[in-house]
Amino acid sequence: GAVVSQHPSRVICKSGTSVKIECRSLDFQATTMFWYRQFPKKSLMLMATSNEGSKATYEQGVEKDKFLINHASLTLSTLTVTSAHPEDSSFYICSATSRANNEQFFGPGTRLTVL
Amino acid sequence: GENVEQHPSTLSVQEGDSAVIKCTYSDSASNYFPWYKQELGKRPQLIIDIRSNVGEKKDQRIAVTLNKTAKHFSLHITETQPEDSAVYFCAARTSGTYKYIFGTGTRLKVLA
Repeated sequence: GAVVSQHPSRVICKSGTSVKIECRSLDFQATTMFWYRQFPKKSLMLMATSNEGSKATYEQGVEKDKFLINHASLTLSTLTVTSAHPEDSSFYICSATSRANNEQFFGPGTRLTVL
Repeated sequence: GENVEQHPSTLSVQEGDSAVIKCTYSDSASNYFPWYKQELGKRPQLIIDIRSNVGEKKDQRIAVTLNKTAKHFSLHITETQPEDSAVYFCAARTSGTYKYIFGTGTRLKVLA
């Protein structure tokens, strides 16, 4: 099946720093990529929808200046958590939709811990 | 806005018994309903899906049923095994978009 990678898998940073997470579709072109946040024992909360070459669409309540999304190509989207604080600690998962069949494939996730 | 409710939140069954998880969606324009299995710290994995033009789909021990009129769909796992223990999420996708709305998840424990 299609493969989506995320980097890094884990990151620990100090409060106030910015963290960039990359999401790549390795063997297919992604029409759209999505960024989710998942708290422990909770569901996936959609943060934003990212289309190549255009601005991301953010869900209600998600600060676009806090969570910067760049979708530079059909295989790469990045999420930058700016001026991270402890409450931003979470599991961030991306997904990519295949142009071929519209199926959504998930990345392995990035666990962010802000001290 | 769009909403997907999922029940139960936790479910314990004896090995070999069946497990049923139910979801209800709010957007009548939803036309695609995948189910995901997520193990601790891992990515969600698609286990089965159903489209709105189908009422039931089966894949070995897993089946999904869809009632469009009532706007609910269910996951059925038969002959459960300990390795079925995980968190299961339903989702609904609206026609014309690629956006998924996820249910709140069900933690399934299969007791040996």
